[in-house]
Amino acid sequence: AQKVTQAQTEISVVEKEDVTLDCVYETRDTTYYLFWYKQPPSGELVFLIRRNSFDEQNEISGRYSWNFQKSTSSFNFTITASQVVDSAVYFCALSGNNRKLIWGLGTSLAVNP
Amino acid sequence: DAGITQSPRHKVTETGTPVTLRCHQTENHRYMYWYRQDPGHGLRLIHYSYGVKDTDKGEVSDGYSVSRSKTEDFLLTLESATSSQTSVYFCAISDRDRGRNTEAFFGQGTRLTVV
Repeated sequence: AQKVTQAQTEISVVEKEDVTLDCVYETRDTTYYLFWYKQPPSGELVFLIRRNSFDEQNEISGRYSWNFQKSTSSFNFTITASQVVDSAVYFCALSGNNRKLIWGLGTSLAVNP
Repeated sequence: DAGITQSPRHKVTETGTPVTLRCHQTENHRYMYWYRQDPGHGLRLIHYSYGVKDTDKGEVSDGYSVSRSKTEDFLLTLESATSSQTSVYFCAISDRDRGRNTEAFFGQGTRLTVV
């Protein structure tokens, strides 16, 4: 069975703090894809990143970075120098051979001024 | 932004009435999905389609049916709406590129209230 766990339900930080959102996944597929999405208060779902199971290189995009570790089945997301506009619910998702996206329950991030 | 449109965006309906939500895409993506999003449950897959007239059930398919008669449209029908189907419904599209799953793009969502 496939599963995605986001253990942090809610996180609250003060602006400019660094924050890491955890994502742990389970799958028996050898080829799979991991995703992060952002859902701001306006409600839309915004794609942030896709990572395939053969690429364990960390990725950085501006203040965002992702740490993929197959050894611990984790795909963590770090926001450096957080800003109020980063306040949102963040979802981690997994896609394997069955072509369906399996979603975590999301982490609600509040960045306070 | 990916060309994906949901209609209607908001709907209030009475218990027992049929309701159809429409998802329309202009990206020619193969896969289309219907999710519902509820507090404490995240996103749950209702049905998905992997081609015209090819659909399959997700984890919360009871009370819902879907149809996909052409690539661009994926319809979700609540045959007899119940209050438990009050939710925000999202349509998503994705594709496969050289055998690899691409990311899913989402519509703006439909807020459905069953009274």
